[in-house]
Amino acid sequence: QVQLVESGGGVVQPGGSLRLSCAASGFTFRTYAMHWVRQAPGKGLEWVAIIPYGASNELYADSVKGRFTISRDNSKNTLYLQMNSLRAEDTAIYYCATGDELELKGDYFDYWGQGTLVTVSS
Amino acid sequence: DIQMTQSPSSLSASVGDRVTITCRASQGITTYLAWYQQKPGKVPKLLIYAASTLQSGVPSRFSGSGSGTDFTLTISSLQPEDVATYYCQKYDSAPYAFGQGTKLQIK
Repeated sequence: QVQLVESGGGVVQPGGSLRLSCAASGFTFRTYAMHWVRQAPGKGLEWVAIIPYGASNELYADSVKGRFTISRDNSKNTLYLQMNSLRAEDTAIYYCATGDELELKGDYFDYWGQGTLVTVSS
Repeated sequence: DIQMTQSPSSLSASVGDRVTITCRASQGITTYLAWYQQKPGKVPKLLIYAASTLQSGVPSRFSGSGSGTDFTLTISSLQPEDVATYYCQKYDSAPYAFGQGTKLQIK
């Protein structure tokens, strides 16, 4: 069965950096676009970034552009989110999610990980 | 960027009621619209994609309709386990915006 397991969350000071990982199993990771989505405490869902299956043309939400970098290692079936210059408003649960498969089915999010909590606080 | 607006923001209904949640896109997105259910403390779950296609395993009391800018999620007979927050999302292109959510409670 499909499994997505995030790790790397924690408490970081404003201006600091953190790298999140998402280990994937149970499906052909290299053929799927992958996304990061976040949810601030008590708030709604916010899309963060996408990396297509071809690992080029990454796209970002305006709120994180220039500070966050999404990447993937298909040999390790792992998705990453490098987060720099963190701000208090980046505090959230970060979820990885599967998107489109080979650009054939549509970029809705069928599978989600359990999430990892990032807290930005001094 | 296209904005997604849901109404109402919260809703209280009785078991067995027919419930409708509306989602409006600020520009046309044809049928690139998904609905998710998030129960308290849980991970979001895909209910519907392509505006009206039920994800495998989702009860048939859930249905979706619409195209262009106006979409609806309908629960034909509300059950206690349907207490959750529901989100619509556009997925035609980035940014993949979500609506603000509709919190559904049992009266």
